[in-house]
Amino acid sequence: TQLLEQSPQFLSIQEGENLTVYCNSSSVFSSLQWYRQEPGEGPVLLVTVVTGGEVKKLKRLTFQFGDARKDSSLHITAAQPGDTGLYLCAGEEYNFNKFYFGSGTKLNVKP
Amino acid sequence: DAGITQSPRYKITETGRQVTLMCHQTWSHSYMFWYRQDLGHGLRLIYYSAAADITDKGEVPDGYVVSRSKTENFPLTLESATRSQTSVYFCASSDPWAGGTTDTQYFGPGTRLTVL
Repeated sequence: TQLLEQSPQFLSIQEGENLTVYCNSSSVFSSLQWYRQEPGEGPVLLVTVVTGGEVKKLKRLTFQFGDARKDSSLHITAAQPGDTGLYLCAGEEYNFNKFYFGSGTKLNVKP
Repeated sequence: DAGITQSPRYKITETGRQVTLMCHQTWSHSYMFWYRQDLGHGLRLIYYSAAADITDKGEVPDGYVVSRSKTENFPLTLESATRSQTSVYFCASSDPWAGGTTDTQYFGPGTRLTVL
């Protein structure tokens, strides 16, 4: 059973386009993290959101945590080929430092 | 260099054999984790450890054994490998008491295991 559902699974877009990736669950999490993973490497943390409704920006990336702490979104503005990779969300089980990962969104940005 | 390392990076074994994957971190992080990554499933937690000599099951622990006699090492053993255990295995570490509101997990480069 996948606690976190990510959509879309695959996304192929042209450089300069905007996109949004969604991470949804019926469970409540104490925090939610977004990771980016390149082929042959481990995931690298992009951001952690903790408060319901929180919005964090990292250059062209905007992350939002749902008010009920059950869902999150990642929006990329003016995507670039360097954004290509697998994006994973991970929800932390309440205060247990235990994370459940979504299945990932594979993004390909074409020049 | 400081960091988290895994060995071997690639391993091919046969059904029924015992295999041990190694994980070593130099940060003295209290928490360590083992995940497996399969297409369509993202990362699934196998086992985790809050400190030396403290381990607990994750989502998919069956067929795996862990130990943690030292803070820096967290080996994962497949007692009798099966084809369904073919996967990429990632080790991670974190330190929830390092400050801040939540924990950053630092991942190793992964071990690609094939069971024939």
